[in-house]
Amino acid sequence: NAGVTQTPKFRVLKTGQSMTLLCAQDMNHEYMYWYRQDPGMGLRLIHYSVGEGTTAKGEVPDGYNVSRLKKQNFLLGLESAAPSQTSVYFCASSYSGMTGSRGTQYFGPGTRLLVL
Amino acid sequence: GNSVTQMEGPVTLSEEAFLTINCTYTATGYPSLFWYVQYPGEGLQLLLKATKADDKGSNKGFEATYRKETTSFHLEKGSVQVSDSAVYFCALDSNFGNEKLTFGTGTRLTIIP
Repeated sequence: NAGVTQTPKFRVLKTGQSMTLLCAQDMNHEYMYWYRQDPGMGLRLIHYSVGEGTTAKGEVPDGYNVSRLKKQNFLLGLESAAPSQTSVYFCASSYSGMTGSRGTQYFGPGTRLLVL
Repeated sequence: GNSVTQMEGPVTLSEEAFLTINCTYTATGYPSLFWYVQYPGEGLQLLLKATKADDKGSNKGFEATYRKETTSFHLEKGSVQVSDSAVYFCALDSNFGNEKLTFGTGTRLTIIP
């Protein structure tokens, strides 16, 4: 089991460029999440998905789009990168509807993004 | 809305010292409470959790008790080790079935030998 993997690990973009971050999980989890982590801000939810083909906005969705075409993959897109999107991005996944595992999210190692 | 407030860091302790990291929360309903840990260069991982009032979560020598009367979930460890150096996040879930977590800002802990 690889768990949750993220691609790439590090990326430098220029303002206005686009890119896609890929998250993959092999645990057959229903729910997947994208967070950003900034100093002094903790983790903030960008978008999440409760199943294949469904997505929803989180706390800070502006400037990002997501897609969940396959259950195991969750893609985060930046259409026109801005310096304010410089951050560390974490993907996570979890089971749903199971009391024993409620709230237990499994995180990937993160993607460090620098927008110049 | 839901919110989590953690004691600000960074916290620096000597090895074998007693650790407390404070966490208080605001939530509607009956949330579950969690502590996640992030070791250097890694993603977060669940450390412990409690799902109802007066429950005590424990793992790797860490403990936290769900106190509904004080809306708190403080993390404690009796004797810390250098390997405990990490960032610790308190979190709660919404209890509305969508499994979303609200995180605190994190507390960086450094243990010196």
